[in-house]
Amino acid sequence: SQTIHQWPATLVQPVGSPLSLECTVEGTSNPNLYWYRQAAGRGLQLLFYSVGIGQISSEVPQNLSASRPQDRQFILSSKKLLLSDSGFYLCAWGPGLANEQYFGPGTRLTVT
Amino acid sequence: AQSVAQPEDQVNVAEGNPLTVKCTYSVSGNPYLFWYVQYPNRGLQFLLKYITGDNLVKGSYGFEAEFNKSQTSFHLKKPSALVSDSALYFCAVRAMNRDDKIIFGKGTRLHILP
Repeated sequence: SQTIHQWPATLVQPVGSPLSLECTVEGTSNPNLYWYRQAAGRGLQLLFYSVGIGQISSEVPQNLSASRPQDRQFILSSKKLLLSDSGFYLCAWGPGLANEQYFGPGTRLTVT
Repeated sequence: AQSVAQPEDQVNVAEGNPLTVKCTYSVSGNPYLFWYVQYPNRGLQFLLKYITGDNLVKGSYGFEAEFNKSQTSFHLKKPSALVSDSALYFCAVRAMNRDDKIIFGKGTRLHILP
């Protein structure tokens, strides 16, 4: 069966510090991968998605970047965090166009 | 452009009563429709989906949803609510094209009162 991992679970970082959040998927190959941000326990904002290694689509211009160095690894990064980067970050994978997405447990990021 | 609307921020239902969480959508062409549930400090969990076929779709935990093409709706329902159903529910839509993105609604918080 497929599983998705995210780490860390929680993170407190000062403004201006770098960020690296990692997401890995097991039990499948060539998944579509997604990064979302959820603010205040509400709606989801799609940040990046990837349909293959090295292929990244950005949905919202901002302080963040994403990379997919391996088939089942998706990394969210920032060189300098802003206060507005605080939120709950969710990674998800999906097997194809007509299929649902499966979400990881999330990372709660607080920028102080 | 694709869009999905969940008109209620919060729905309160007494335990044992039927529940409905509303969702309407707008896409070009035929839609793929999904419902997800989120418990506090957790990722979203997939409940059910409509791709094609029967308009009534059954999913996890006793939930079902009815696709209504003329009203462009996909309301989530359950015949008898449980306190443990209290959570945040998201409707989502994807158009049948090469776009790999799902558009999520803003979510509806469901409170089941004991």
